[in-house]
Amino acid sequence: DGGITQSPKYLFRKEGQNVTLSCEQNLNHDAMYWYRQDPGQGLRLIYYSQIVNDFQKGDIAEGYSVSREKKESFPLTVTSAQKNPTAFYLCASTHKGAGYTFGSGTRLTVV
Amino acid sequence: SQQGEEDPQALSIQEGENATMNCSYKTSINNLQWYRQNSGRGLVHLILIRSNEREKHSGRLRVTLDTSKKSSSLLITASRAADTASYFCATDERAAGNKLTFGGGTRVLVKP
Repeated sequence: DGGITQSPKYLFRKEGQNVTLSCEQNLNHDAMYWYRQDPGQGLRLIYYSQIVNDFQKGDIAEGYSVSREKKESFPLTVTSAQKNPTAFYLCASTHKGAGYTFGSGTRLTVV
Repeated sequence: SQQGEEDPQALSIQEGENATMNCSYKTSINNLQWYRQNSGRGLVHLILIRSNEREKHSGRLRVTLDTSKKSSSLLITASRAADTASYFCATDERAAGNKLTFGGGTRVLVKP
């Protein structure tokens, strides 16, 4: 079945550590997105990529990095520069002008 | 930046009643989309309405769009307990290049 897979489901990060969240899709979508969701809030855009080897900053890119070396994959690294990383992270993909398909999310907690 | 603002923030209704929620936005859009999120899960796309459309239906869902007022509404008819979720509107802004901006959501509780 076609879909978008995020892993891991839960992730714990120590202070000062970088961690990478995985996002893979087999929908042949060109565009992929990373959003952050804080409790009881809407989604805020971190980074997005409309084509392989190209990506743009969203509204809250500071402390995060991404890569898009393959069409299927758009990993997000939460760096030590992100001072408040505890949140629910959602990856999505789409064809231009269509609705987004979301993954099931990764819940990141700083310990 | 938050483009869409949903109203109300929370809604509690009995099973069988209709639920209506509204979304307002600020800039010109290509389309507006509604999503549902069950607690702790990813979002599910419900319906997309383009800027040149005024109303769209999908099953028990009815979406309207008024571009002159920069607002949209989502109506869920004959609600069920399984409709309990958060509902988000998201706008595909003309100037933004195919990225969605989400509102803060409406939390809907359908009591059996």
